[in-house]
Amino acid sequence: KQEVTQIPAALSVPEGENLVLNCSFTDSAIYNLQWFRQDPGKGLTSLLLIQSSQREQTSGRLNASLDKSSGRSTLYIAASQPGDSATYLCAVPNFGNEKLTFGTGTRLTIIP
Amino acid sequence: GAVVSQHPSWVICKSGTSVKIECRSLDFQATTMFWYRQFPKQSLMLMATSNEGSKATYEQGVEKDKFLINHASLTLSTLTVTSAHPEDSSFYICSPRRASGSSYNEQFFGPGTRLTVL
Repeated sequence: KQEVTQIPAALSVPEGENLVLNCSFTDSAIYNLQWFRQDPGKGLTSLLLIQSSQREQTSGRLNASLDKSSGRSTLYIAASQPGDSATYLCAVPNFGNEKLTFGTGTRLTIIP
Repeated sequence: GAVVSQHPSWVICKSGTSVKIECRSLDFQATTMFWYRQFPKQSLMLMATSNEGSKATYEQGVEKDKFLINHASLTLSTLTVTSAHPEDSSFYICSPRRASGSSYNEQFFGPGTRLTVL
């Protein structure tokens, strides 16, 4: 059974700093990995989808990397802004049924 | 991206009543709908998966007679919480999957519905 863990559970950094969020998964046989952000009381916004054949994906100030063999993904946020404050979730689909297994989430706070 | 709507965005009801939540995919057709539930400070938990025109498949521990799912069209799915109790208070989120393309495409989510049962 796939298990997805995110460390740290919470992170506070001053505005302008670069930061890295971590995601680990136990079963390396994945099709892809997706990063989401969730604002309080809101649904999920898709940030990046990285396919199993890719090593990284970039969108603006966000860069996601994937190392299947070690079961890890990182989300790099450059030049953080207060608007980046949210909970960040990673998720992987299960083989055969495509249901997503979510990580535990990292609650990010950017201090102005 | 894809546009997904949910209605209502929040609802308060009395214990014992039923509540219907609608999920619509506004700019694409969805053959499959995933319904999730999220309790405070926890991650999303899959409740059930439905395919258009078929009965839903429920995850272990989710009562199918309590959480009725209807996926009658490619753009609309509904979740009805029957005889709601305070422990059903939660944040409900739908996630439609596109009808076309790879089965492992990017997943999109609705904005969620906050249910509070008094």
